[in-house]
Amino acid sequence: DTEVTQTPKHLVMGMTNKKSLKCEQHMGHRAMYWYKQKAKKPPELMFVYSYEKLSINESVPSRFSPECPNSSLLNLHLHALQPEDSALYLCASSLNDRGNTGELFFGEGSRLTVL
Amino acid sequence: GESVGLHLPTLSVQEGDNSIINCAYSNSASDYFIWYKQESGKGPQFIIDIRSNMDKRQGQRVTVLLNKTVKHLSLQIAATQPGDSAVYFCAEGGATNKLIFGTGTLLAVQP
Repeated sequence: DTEVTQTPKHLVMGMTNKKSLKCEQHMGHRAMYWYKQKAKKPPELMFVYSYEKLSINESVPSRFSPECPNSSLLNLHLHALQPEDSALYLCASSLNDRGNTGELFFGEGSRLTVL
Repeated sequence: GESVGLHLPTLSVQEGDNSIINCAYSNSASDYFIWYKQESGKGPQFIIDIRSNMDKRQGQRVTVLLNKTVKHLSLQIAATQPGDSAVYFCAEGGATNKLIFGTGTLLAVQP
């Protein structure tokens, strides 16, 4: 199994809503990532979890709250978002969190629209 | 062309021609480089990688060249096909570095 599965594929939410994005992998990878991607731009790193602990937070606003319940799952909790947060949110996993030990495997992304 | 605002650099090629996509990286400490392909509405997909102790690596129809002197990476696609149409990103990483993505190039294959 070489897949990273993300749900939901599409999400529309209001600025007062609370929602969550979910990500799952069963490759035994110990690093998991959230990236944000705006149209025609490269993916931008948000968070890195290494061995289920948050190792990198790229100064992401607190309205985004990551959670790693176990080594296979990664969530991104969303609350009080702004319209400019509308983007494709990509989950990825890798063997570990050093940047030179192999590829990141990406999911298909969750397309978020904030109204 | 240069990336300005919302415009991606675009490479337009005829089906069957070879494509060369270029990337300049910024960190001389980076020792691992990857090319990803991203089709519309999908996540990035791994194409090929190369480590800094190599200057060339070949895969199926693709070749990556690395020039550490000028911090330049290129992806060559042989006999480009319509299914190769996508945005291509290079990414750089190192032992202590996060994987960082470059700007991206849109490859448009004309039939």
